[in-house]
Formats: sequence, structure tokens, C-alpha cells
Amino acid sequence: EVQLVESGGGLVQPGGSLRLSCAASGFTFSNYEMNWVRQAPGMGLHWISYINSGGDNIFYADSVKGRLTISRDNARNSVYLQMNSLRAEDTAIYYCARFGRDGGRLQFDLWGRGTLVVVSS
Amino acid sequence: DIQMTQSPSSLSASVGDRVSITCHTSQSISTYLNWYQQKPGQAPNLLIYAASSLQSGVPSRFSGTGSGTDFTLTISSLQFGDSATYYCQQSYASPYTFGQGTKLEI
Repeated sequence: EVQLVESGGGLVQPGGSLRLSCAASGFTFSNYEMNWVRQAPGMGLHWISYINSGGDNIFYADSVKGRLTISRDNARNSVYLQMNSLRAEDTAIYYCARFGRDGGRLQFDLWGRGTLVVVSS
Repeated sequence: DIQMTQSPSSLSASVGDRVSITCHTSQSISTYLNWYQQKPGQAPNLLIYAASSLQSGVPSRFSGTGSGTDFTLTISSLQFGDSATYYCQQSYASPYTFGQGTKLEI
């Protein structure tokens, strides 16, 4: 089955760290660009990070730059999000999303079910 | 950053109705525009990509038009299962921004 499964969420104190993982299966992971998208409670979708298939081209949203680090291990079919210096406003469901390419266009064509991160004392 | 403005923010319609949701971008993005549906408690689901291409498995009552800065998602013949929040998203340039969402109640 083609799927993405996130893990690693939980409750963390402000200033703390957390590492999220996303395990891919059912497709050739190393061929795809990957992203993290988050959704605060009751709010909309917010893209936060991108990594290309080789792991050497990375983008971040300004809101997380310097605190969150995306990485991937193609041998393990996984993408990661290291989250440091966490703030209350980082509380959200974090989704792993695959970038599909069609005719040069990019779209989030496969999503995981998400993992919840709560930053609170 | 490319700003995305969706309208309306919410709407109510009846089974069988035809509804349209619009998305305006702050700069021209050609057809680098996608539409997603998100039901409560679920991950988003891709409906339309490249402004007008229907994702595999998505019913043909969903359609998308537009290019440049103005785009429209149309749902013809609404069904109860179409109750959801709909988001537009641009993939023209990072950051890959989303619209604020349109909540559709049937």
C-alpha cells in the first residue's frame, strides 16, 4: 500500500526539542521530493519545509527557519523533522506530504495522517 | 511570499447545488495552483492539480479553471459527502503557500 506514516509527536515543554519521523512505503521514496505541512488547532494548512530527492536542496518557512531541520534517509525510506527551541505557537498536527510531479507542476499528492505536537508547560 | 486569498471563507449549500470557490494570488503563478479537500479529523486530499487537472480517483463533479492570478474550484451537483474545508495552494515558488480555506456545509 502506498502510504506515509508519521510518528514522534507528543507533549513537550517550551524550549524543548522533538524529532518527527515519516516512514514511506509502497513507492520508490528516493525518487520523490518531500515536505512537512502543519495545522494548528482549528486553523488552516501551513507549509513549513521541503527537501529534494537527494537531500541537498532544502527550503523552510520563515516562521521555523533556524529552529527546525528537515532531513531524509533514502535507505530507510524516511524523512525527519528535528524541532528545537519549541514555542507554544508550534502546537499543531504535523503532516508529511509527498510532492508529485506532473508536466513540471508540483502538488502534494500523498499525505500521512499526521502527528500531534503540543508545546505546553 | 505569494499571498493566497480564498473566497468565500464559508458557504452553505444544498444537495444538488453547484458551488464555486475562488482563489486569488498576489502575483502571477501560471497554472501552478492546486486544490485540496479536508474533512474533519482527516488529512487533506488532493482534488485538482495544475489548476485544472483532476487527480486520479476524484469524482468528475469537481473541476478547476484559471491561470495567472485568478482560479476557481467548482463542484457541480453537491453531495452530502462534499461537506469539508477546501484549500487552494500554489507550487510556483517557495514558500508553498495555502489559502485560508473555505468551509462548505451541505
